[in-house]
Amino acid sequence: AQSVAQPEDQVNVAEGNPLTVKCTYSVSGNPYLFWYVQYPNRGLQFLLKYITGDNLVKGSYGFEAEFNKSQTSFHLKKPSALVSDSALYFCAVRDMENDYKLSFGAGTTVTVRA
Amino acid sequence: DTGVSQDPRHKITKRGQNVTFRCDPISEHNRLYWYRQTLGQGPEFLTYFQNEAQLEKSRLLSDRFSAERPKGSFSTLEIQRTEQGDSAMYLCASSLVSGRNNEQFFGPGTRLTVL
Repeated sequence: AQSVAQPEDQVNVAEGNPLTVKCTYSVSGNPYLFWYVQYPNRGLQFLLKYITGDNLVKGSYGFEAEFNKSQTSFHLKKPSALVSDSALYFCAVRDMENDYKLSFGAGTTVTVRA
Repeated sequence: DTGVSQDPRHKITKRGQNVTFRCDPISEHNRLYWYRQTLGQGPEFLTYFQNEAQLEKSRLLSDRFSAERPKGSFSTLEIQRTEQGDSAMYLCASSLVSGRNNEQFFGPGTRLTVL
């Protein structure tokens, strides 16, 4: 079975400071990892993914994530947060065998204060 | 707009009524997925189609739920005899399966409230 844990319900940072949203995963075999963002009353927007290759993945809106196989983590980062980054962030995992099913974490609410 | 669209965006119904939601995927995508998201939780997989074939159904999809994708284009999700526990956001996603790249694009969702 595959699963994702997002240990923080909320993350609060000041604008201009670094932002980190944590994610750990459990999957059999090699993982495919994703980050999505959700704004109020909107669907999920894709930010970035790790399939293979470099452990540091760059995505949309200045976000990046680092895949760490030994720690089974895929933390989302942004060097300098903006107020407009305030949203709900979801980490998701998919395994190679069940390539149709994304398993999501419970989400982390990010609030960036001006 | 060439993204995934869902209709209606909001639905309020009384317990025991039937409801039907529609999803229009990105036109060239061959896979279509349904997820359910309850408050404070991440989306949970319900079912998916490859073209017109429904290939997998989650245990979450009780016999009151039925999904179709005639002709491999749009899809409908019907809930019969709705219960208050069915209140949730129902998300549709689509993807083009091409090797390992199977990125799912999500629609805006249909928020169902069962009174």
